[in-house]
Amino acid sequence: GQQVMQIPQYQHVQEGEDFTTYCNSSTTLSNIQWYKQRPGGHPVFLIQLVKSGEVKKQKRLTFQFGEAKKNSSLHITATQTTDVGTYFCAGHEGAQKLVFGQGTRLTINP
Amino acid sequence: DGGITQSPKYLFRKEGQNVTLSCEQNLNHDAMYWYRQDPGQGLRLIYYSQIVNDFQKGDIAEGYSVSREKKESFPLTVTSAQKNPTAFYLCASNIGLGNQPQHFGDGTRLSIL
Repeated sequence: GQQVMQIPQYQHVQEGEDFTTYCNSSTTLSNIQWYKQRPGGHPVFLIQLVKSGEVKKQKRLTFQFGEAKKNSSLHITATQTTDVGTYFCAGHEGAQKLVFGQGTRLTINP
Repeated sequence: DGGITQSPKYLFRKEGQNVTLSCEQNLNHDAMYWYRQDPGQGLRLIYYSQIVNDFQKGDIAEGYSVSREKKESFPLTVTSAQKNPTAFYLCASNIGLGNQPQHFGDGTRLSIL
């Protein structure tokens, strides 16, 4: 079955530094979704990428979908303490099943 | 406010006991999902349902059962056959058309006594 690998598993940064997490799929994805889970909370949908090579921005967050639609990245510029949490990518296997990566846990030193 | 309600927030299970986790949504979503989250791992799909009275096994369905008698409700039973049930369980839903984003409940944390 489809596998979605995410690296790194953990990342600790100083506040103000940039952060990037990478997502790789064993198969071509129809789309990729990104979720954020705050400590003690539940995943919250951030964005969906559909097109090959697509780049989307949300304030300090930049999301990219690879040309081959098998990889994706999330980059945060100038991290803030509110960015703390675990970031998950997820790709669809078929029409309904969403396969999640292991997540990247981001901690920030203020 | 619309949303997904999971209860209880914390649950303890004795050996050999079945327990049922509740998931209710008022978003009028057709599709509902159950995930298991273990530390350092992503979300793993247990069961999902695209429509009332129909559901499919996910990747780790062994030791679990579900029902979907109403559109709003998708309870998960953790049976005694599930030998390692300690985990964080998340219920989610979406409109069920194509690859739509999923909305999650606050989760139930299950522990073994």
